[in-house]
Amino acid sequence: EAGVVQSPRYKIIEKKQPVAFWCNPISGHNTLYWYLQNLGQGPELLIRYENEEAVDDSQLPKDRFSAERLKGVDSTLKIQPAELGDSAVYLCASSTAGLIYEQYFGPGTRLTVT
Amino acid sequence: GQSLEQPSEVTAVEGAIVQINCTYQTSGFYGLSWYQQHDGGAPTFLSYNALDGLEETGRFSSFLSRSDSYGYLLLQELQMKDSASYFCAVRVSNRKLIWGLGTSLAVNP
Repeated sequence: EAGVVQSPRYKIIEKKQPVAFWCNPISGHNTLYWYLQNLGQGPELLIRYENEEAVDDSQLPKDRFSAERLKGVDSTLKIQPAELGDSAVYLCASSTAGLIYEQYFGPGTRLTVT
Repeated sequence: GQSLEQPSEVTAVEGAIVQINCTYQTSGFYGLSWYQQHDGGAPTFLSYNALDGLEETGRFSSFLSRSDSYGYLLLQELQMKDSASYFCAVRVSNRKLIWGLGTSLAVNP
């Protein structure tokens, strides 16, 4: 069974530029999460989807971040415009309904904003 | 507020046993999860405790005491490959998981 797929793995952009990350969850997992992780820190939830509905986006900086999960499968997270402080690893995870405690993570996208 | 506390760093030698503690203060509690993350890698799920007691999975065990708001991850017969960060995470509702800051475990020869 394929795991969570993310692309790109690495991205370097200049500040004020836009950037987008893509995630394909494990087949059958209806819950999808986007996290931000800084070095030496735990994952911080940005947004959680159940199917195509964003059920928790309270920590998403909506002035510059947006996300979508069309058809309840793949998801895209976008930052526009990027700031220096956005440099981090962006992780996507998925789980089956109700098993929020057992999440499966993709390899992440390491974003560097210069 | 919600808080989870775990040691920032732990060092041990190969073959030894190490215990990583996690104490929590949260507004709700359904259970405690543990994840492992190697440098540059993704977090991987290790265990989940919803009830008091010890759960064993191979060399790793996880313990929970709900009355003490405390749990730990026990790693036995340590191997070099166990060097990683270990995160505890509390399920505070059916829809929310709160993560600790992680414990960096270094296993030395």
